[in-house]
Amino acid sequence: NAGVTQTPKFRILKIGQSMTLQCTQDMNHNYMYWYRQDPGMGLKLIYYSVGAGITDKGEVPNGYNVSRSTTEDFPLRLELAAPSQTSVYFCASSYSWGQPQHFGDGTRLSIL
Amino acid sequence: AQKVTQAQTEISVVEKEDVTLDCVYETRDTTYYLFWYKQPPSGELVFLIRRNSFDEQNEISGRYSWNFQKSTSSFNFTITASQVVDSAVYFCALSEPFGNQFYFGTGTSLTVIP
Repeated sequence: NAGVTQTPKFRILKIGQSMTLQCTQDMNHNYMYWYRQDPGMGLKLIYYSVGAGITDKGEVPNGYNVSRSTTEDFPLRLELAAPSQTSVYFCASSYSWGQPQHFGDGTRLSIL
Repeated sequence: AQKVTQAQTEISVVEKEDVTLDCVYETRDTTYYLFWYKQPPSGELVFLIRRNSFDEQNEISGRYSWNFQKSTSSFNFTITASQVVDSAVYFCALSEPFGNQFYFGTGTSLTVIP
């Protein structure tokens, strides 16, 4: 029962560094999402994908990039880390639009 | 403008009391979905319920119930006979078809005091 797996769970970056947050799901879901959750706030959609090879921007895409080469994987790339990107990042997947999303456990990212 | 508004930031109740969490949403679409998620202190997000815009039938599931009213754009959540394990942050969310956008409210932090 893996569901949605995110790695790493924690990471500290220096300003200007880059990194990739990994997300894998084993439920054969078509839709995948990346969110960020800032303290005391709800989740905000960064990017989403409706299938392999198809990605689109969410509400807060600036500073991030994604790719979807397979159904299972949806990595999130930070190219030039900035303190404003300090947040908890959640990956999620669903079978289709309107279906409940299954969430990973999150990645806590700090940029100093 | 916020698409989903949860005006109650924090609520504290004594165990066994009933509590209602409010959610007001804004959309121009006629077809949409509404959700409630729970985020316990451990941090994971747990799906509770989904409702589509054409189904205004209220639902009860154990101690949980939901009241969906399109006329007031509200989708409220009630916990009956609250328990300490209900302590969590609860999020209301809206899913719109155009652009597959998904909007979360800012959450209501519920503390159930034993």
